[in-house]
Amino acid sequence: QVQLQESGPGLVKPSETLSLTCTVSGGSISNDHWSWIRQAPGKGLEWIGYIYYNGITNYNPSLKSRVSISVDTSKNQISLRLNSVTAADTAVYYCARLLAVTSPDWAFDIWGQGTMVTVSS
Amino acid sequence: SSVVTQPPSVSVPPGQTARITCGGDNIANKAVHWYQQKSGQAPVLVVYDDSARPPGIPERFSGSDSGNTATLTIIRVEAGDEAAYYCQVWDNDADHVVFGGGTKLTVL
Repeated sequence: QVQLQESGPGLVKPSETLSLTCTVSGGSISNDHWSWIRQAPGKGLEWIGYIYYNGITNYNPSLKSRVSISVDTSKNQISLRLNSVTAADTAVYYCARLLAVTSPDWAFDIWGQGTMVTVSS
Repeated sequence: SSVVTQPPSVSVPPGQTARITCGGDNIANKAVHWYQQKSGQAPVLVVYDDSARPPGIPERFSGSDSGNTATLTIIRVEAGDEAAYYCQVWDNDADHVVFGGGTKLTVL
């Protein structure tokens, strides 16, 4: 059973870079496609972007200029970098797997538990 | 760019049927996915591709769509179904994901 676990700093200063890692266990990262999704406190879900197993990426247009998603197959990890953060980036950040049978109208079938990131000085 | 809208809240007594809607232009022509998110937990996929259920999701949960509205139906509602429910589609033109704003289901 594939499981996802997000990790990273819980506090980031304004204007700095948010860096998170999602570790995949129970399966190979190379077999699937992956995404990051966030949720501000008391708000709904916001898609950040996805990365295909072959490295192709696509990002939410509202974040595209500041975001980068990559994979490290040797560590079975997906990484998220979001630069020039502000308080508006305070949220729970989730990684999720794209459900293969729903291609190309992807659904997300496995989610990590999420990690809270606060942007504050 | 696609926009999908959900009512902020729905309330039903236990044992009754809850219907949560997701509105969007010609949404019946899109694949609609539904997630349940209980307080403090990660979302869980409960319906994908309009009406398919992932393994482990009770048959009480079903999805349908027609015209500009997709609907998640929960029959015989239980206290444990109380959660926020989100619909999601893929905007194929822009190649990005769109989530609805979420509907809070309260079991009276």
